[in-house]
Amino acid sequence: EIVLTQSPGTLSLSPGERATLSCRASQSVSSNYLAWYQQKPGQAPRLLIYGASSRATGIPDRFSGSGSGTDFTLTIFRLEPEDFAVYYCQQYGSSPLTFGGGTKVEIK
Amino acid sequence: QVHLVESGGGVVQPGRSLRLSCAASGFTFSSYGMHWVRQAPGKGLEWVAFISYDGSNTYYADSVKGRFTISRDNSKITLYLHMNSLRVEDTAVYYCAKDPGGKTTLSTYYYYMDVWGRGTTVTVSS
Repeated sequence: EIVLTQSPGTLSLSPGERATLSCRASQSVSSNYLAWYQQKPGQAPRLLIYGASSRATGIPDRFSGSGSGTDFTLTIFRLEPEDFAVYYCQQYGSSPLTFGGGTKVEIK
Repeated sequence: QVHLVESGGGVVQPGRSLRLSCAASGFTFSSYGMHWVRQAPGKGLEWVAFISYDGSNTYYADSVKGRFTISRDNSKITLYLHMNSLRVEDTAVYYCAKDPGGKTTLSTYYYYMDVWGRGTTVTVSS
């Protein structure tokens, strides 16, 4: 099983700042099959990024995914008030599908 | 508008059974693979099960294998999760989610989730 470790656990930033979230895998993620999701309190997760760097439909271009192998990054350029949420990475390159523990982006 | 609406959650005693449903709309349900994902209180996400567009293939997390069964009725546009021998650690919000792949991609599935429902809460407690 691939274990995904997200860091930091919490990121305290102000609107307009850049957020950099890390997702590290315990072994190489096949074909960079890594997705990122955003979840707000009481809401379902929303797909942001798939294939490590492809934005899902309707996702603003301030969200950017990068990385390969075992190290992946989600960057949010110029945080908007609606971006404060918890973010999860998920690998789908091998079974079982696994998620990281999440990074909370909170308002400083 | 693509919608997934879960139902069937509730409070149940350990060892008992429960069936969750997920009603789909806004897309051709019978053409896509579907997942169940759960989230224990205050915790992260855990993938539970997957079913192919025609129900011919199913996969499960080890934590639920042999106890849970995923199924679908394409004529009723509904996904199900039959949960038996429930344990306290099964307490969670259960989400159904759509896979981007299926019949339209010649049975190639992607195993990420592009649409999610709002979830239904299952509490296992004596």
